[in-house]
Amino acid sequence: QLQLQESGPGLVKPSETLSLTCTVSGGSISSGSYHWGWIRQPPGKGLEWIGSIYYSGSTYYNPSLKSRVTISIDTSKNQFSLKLSSVTAADTAVYYCARDRDHGVVRWFDPWGQGTLVTVSS
Amino acid sequence: DIQMTQSPSSVSASVGDRVIITCRASQGISSWLAWYQQKPGKAPKLLIYAASSLQSGVPSRFSGSGSGTDFTLTISSLQPEDFAIYYCQHANSFPITFGQGTRLDIK
Repeated sequence: QLQLQESGPGLVKPSETLSLTCTVSGGSISSGSYHWGWIRQPPGKGLEWIGSIYYSGSTYYNPSLKSRVTISIDTSKNQFSLKLSSVTAADTAVYYCARDRDHGVVRWFDPWGQGTLVTVSS
Repeated sequence: DIQMTQSPSSVSASVGDRVIITCRASQGISSWLAWYQQKPGKAPKLLIYAASSLQSGVPSRFSGSGSGTDFTLTISSLQPEDFAIYYCQHANSFPITFGQGTRLDIK
């Protein structure tokens, strides 16, 4: 059974870079031609798609965050990562990693990681 | 960006009730729509994809319909474990966006 687990600092200072990693277990990140994505949810609010990466490295970003976001993949470690630069309090959220349900497209997300809360504060 | 608007924002219902949640897209999205269920402190769970396809393992009391701009999620007979927040999500184009959520509470 495929499982995803987010990891990274729970507290980031304003103007710094948020860095998170998603470790995939129960399957290879490079098999099946899937996209792997990041979605976030501010406390008490709705869901926002941040971006997705194909196993080959092609990326798709939300234009609202594109200037600050980098998503990368490390198939040797079965991990993919998120970097969000110049963070502010508005970036405080639970960050989820997820795999797309279907091969070769970015459509709908399943499964998801459990999520990790990142707070931006000095 | 395509805006997804859900209604109602919240609804109260009883076990055994039939509940319908609607989602409207700001432009046509064919059948590129998914529904998720989220319980407190948990990640969203995919229920329905492609507007009406039931995700594996999801009870058959959940169903989805619609195409174009108007979609519905129906829960035919509410069970205690169904009280949660429900989100729609389009996959027609980038950026992918979600509805604001519908909170389903126990009456």
